[in-house]
Amino acid sequence: RKEVEQDPGPFNVPEGATVAFNCTYSNSASQSFFWYRQDCRKEPKLLMSVYSSGNEDGRFTAQLNRASQYISLLIRDSKLSDSATYLCVVNRNTGNQFYFGTGTSLTVIP
Amino acid sequence: EAGVTQSPTHLIKTRGQQATLRCSPISGHTSVYWYQQALGLGLQFLLWYDEGEERNRGNFPPRFSGRQFPNYSSELNVNALELEDSALYLCASSLGGSTGAFFGQGTRLTVV
Repeated sequence: RKEVEQDPGPFNVPEGATVAFNCTYSNSASQSFFWYRQDCRKEPKLLMSVYSSGNEDGRFTAQLNRASQYISLLIRDSKLSDSATYLCVVNRNTGNQFYFGTGTSLTVIP
Repeated sequence: EAGVTQSPTHLIKTRGQQATLRCSPISGHTSVYWYQQALGLGLQFLLWYDEGEERNRGNFPPRFSGRQFPNYSSELNVNALELEDSALYLCASSLGGSTGAFFGQGTRLTVV
């Protein structure tokens, strides 16, 4: 079983829409959680960490559900510039290795 | 503060040759990770170094190897290059598991 699983999409949404991505992780020892954004043929960039209480950064909201072992990312008022692949990442901290999902592709349509 | 830097940006090699890719982590970061990303695919974990030691390696053949130097920079060596080794090779560094990993811009390796 993969450490991290994501729906690959693609998600095609109109500008201004709200879109949500989910990600599940298999190891209950996972301690740190992140969402990364990767533009085509570029390196992944850290979008936001995910905290137990949930956290928000502008139009982006991340949630963690430890009991069900899933992480979500909500994007409100989608912009064309949000088009990218979004990667879910977990880390167990004790081992300090990062496990990446395969990514969810988002295209925001004018 | 300088981010993760990788060199070269592009590398073209012929089948059977060796390639050496280099990575300088963010100052203070002791962990370095290497990933392979073939066109249109996800990140495949290659190697993880921390404090000069190899901590883990992914499901790649032994011709993929590397090392980490005392200054925490790292190099990835790929021997006996095959056409399917053509990919973007990404290096990331980290201060700890809770702070995330930060990527360089990658080395695009083309094997012809």
